[in-house]
Amino acid sequence: NAGVTQTPKFQVLKTGQSMTLQCAQDMNHEYMSWYRQDPGMGLRLIHYSVGAGITDQGEVPNGYNVSRSTTEDFPLRLLSAAPSQTSVYFCASRRGREGNEQFFGPGTRLTVL
Amino acid sequence: AQTVTQSQPEMSVQEAETVTLSCTYDTSESDYYLFWYKQPPSRQMILVIRQEAYKQQNATENRFSVNFQKAAKSFSLKISDSQLGDAAMYFCAYRSADDYKLSFGAGTTVTVRA
Repeated sequence: NAGVTQTPKFQVLKTGQSMTLQCAQDMNHEYMSWYRQDPGMGLRLIHYSVGAGITDQGEVPNGYNVSRSTTEDFPLRLLSAAPSQTSVYFCASRRGREGNEQFFGPGTRLTVL
Repeated sequence: AQTVTQSQPEMSVQEAETVTLSCTYDTSESDYYLFWYKQPPSRQMILVIRQEAYKQQNATENRFSVNFQKAAKSFSLKISDSQLGDAAMYFCAYRSADDYKLSFGAGTTVTVRA
């Protein structure tokens, strides 16, 4: 199993550009989520999904869209990038609501100029 | 929303010594899970240890152990016999048993001195 994969690993955008961060998992996990990590703030939840066709907002959803058309994929879209979105982004997945381990992707470092 | 607080931004420990990282959380739930994650310079998030709130016994994983004080809403991590490879940022995390969402603290950077 590849686990949770994310692409790209690094990205530089100009203000106003749009892009999609890709996330895929091959563990048949129902729960997937996106976090951003900023210095001194830990990981903050952007959006999450509890299954194909179901998504919901997390703590910091503004400026981001998600969709979940398949169990495996959960892309994160930046509609119009802003310097405040400069961050490291992590995708994660987990099986169910029990105390199971949440698996993380390797992260994407995004810089918005 | 649940709040997870890590009051120590940085901790330093001598190799082979013990260090304890503190974590407190705020919740009105009685059934929940607590986790410690390690993030080395590679950026990969690695689960270190987990604790179920209904279990009174503190979890242990090799050199890592927790002190879970449910009434005080405290969940500290003890790293014994510290090794150079333990140098990383450590995050405390909370999740209600009725929820999918995992909430993180701000993290503690651990430096290990040779």
